[in-house]
Amino acid sequence: GQNIDQPTEMTATEGAIVQINCTYQTSGFNGLFWYQQHAGEAPTFLSYNVLDGLEEKGRFSSFLSRSKGYSYLLLKELQMKDSASYLCAVMDSNYQLIWGAGTKLIIKP
Amino acid sequence: DGGITQSPKYLFRKEGQNVTLSCEQNLNHDAMYWYRQDPGQGLRLIYYSQIVNDFQKGDIAEGYSVSREKKESFPLTVTSAQKNPTAFYLCASDPGGGGSDTQYFGPGTRLTVL
Repeated sequence: GQNIDQPTEMTATEGAIVQINCTYQTSGFNGLFWYQQHAGEAPTFLSYNVLDGLEEKGRFSSFLSRSKGYSYLLLKELQMKDSASYLCAVMDSNYQLIWGAGTKLIIKP
Repeated sequence: DGGITQSPKYLFRKEGQNVTLSCEQNLNHDAMYWYRQDPGQGLRLIYYSQIVNDFQKGDIAEGYSVSREKKESFPLTVTSAQKNPTAFYLCASDPGGGGSDTQYFGPGTRLTVL
């Protein structure tokens, strides 16, 4: 079966750095997405990786290793507004998105 | 401004009643999707449509129905056959054609069955 694993919850301090991991086992691979979702709101797109390596976008970076079935989202200079759930999703061989359950990130002052 | 709208934001339904959730987009996207989100679980695909007048079942289509009569609209009906309909429902769209197309989401409808 297809599976996406992420930690359920993480806590970090304002101004610090946090890394959210995602491992996946899917039927084929056509890219990995990270989305941010504030409570009760729609997910919003953060990043897309299809090749191995690091993609940097401001305070957020995303890394992919296809051979290990592994990705992480790195958030720097954490702000209180970064408190949200972070969803990892993999596009499989049929171009369908398989979603992880999300990681709830709690930022403390 | 382009985007996706869903209505209503909150919806209450009595057991045994059908209810229709609205999803409209003005992004000129070909593909539209309906997901269900439950606490502690990933988004699960209910139905999707790649083009007008065509749609396919997702992983959890039982108890749901859709139509795609217009490119802009993809309403979802939650029927009385859906055993556990209380959830947060999200509609999404993308340009279509697969690949790296980012899905854009509407604000969601929270359905509660009383």
